[in-house]
Amino acid sequence: DAMVIQNPRYQVTQFGKPVTLSCSQTLNHNVMYWYQQKSSQAPKLLFHYYDKDFNNEADTPDNFQSRRPNTSFCFLDIRSPGLGDAAMYLCATSILSSGAYEQFFGPGTRLTVL
Amino acid sequence: AQSVAQPEDQVNVAEGNPLTVKCTYSVSGNPYLFWYVQYPNRGLQFLLKYITGDNLVKGSYGFEAEFNKSQTSFHLKKPSALVSDSALYFCAVRDMMGSQGNLIFGKGTKLSVKP
Repeated sequence: DAMVIQNPRYQVTQFGKPVTLSCSQTLNHNVMYWYQQKSSQAPKLLFHYYDKDFNNEADTPDNFQSRRPNTSFCFLDIRSPGLGDAAMYLCATSILSSGAYEQFFGPGTRLTVL
Repeated sequence: AQSVAQPEDQVNVAEGNPLTVKCTYSVSGNPYLFWYVQYPNRGLQFLLKYITGDNLVKGSYGFEAEFNKSQTSFHLKKPSALVSDSALYFCAVRDMMGSQGNLIFGKGTKLSVKP
């Protein structure tokens, strides 16, 4: 059973046209993350929520925003996508377990910018 | 600065042979170390973690990893590789400067297992 769900799996948008990616979880985890992963590279953390507390990475562009209306859902908004924003976007959740936060990843949304 | 290094971009192994995917780390204090696997167009799947205790950690799909403090390494191993093990493998360390379990990932190693 899917525990971290991302919709859509593939998203195509036009240069400059706002796009929203969604993530939901059935794990009731209090931490949710958004990562950007470009081809064959390591995932790069954009931001994360600890409950409702939003934590932005210092080098995340202002073009990227996020919302977490409740524990289960988290959204990634890209206000004006550029060609360089084409990537796989991964959502993850975590909870403290055995002294460490183990992260559970969704399948990802592959974003294409035309 | 905290970092994770995976020195090999690609590892090629014949099916049935043992495999090793290398990882070294640099953190202050005691590290929390993780291995994840990523199949094409999929998210990352957790394989195993080291927090404390036995240096040999056993994980999913027959994988194990050995924590070596003196060499600051956490190499991933499997005694007998399968073609289905072919994927991208990421080593990660907990960001000790951050919060809520933020991870610092290595750049990944592509494992190719040939029949």
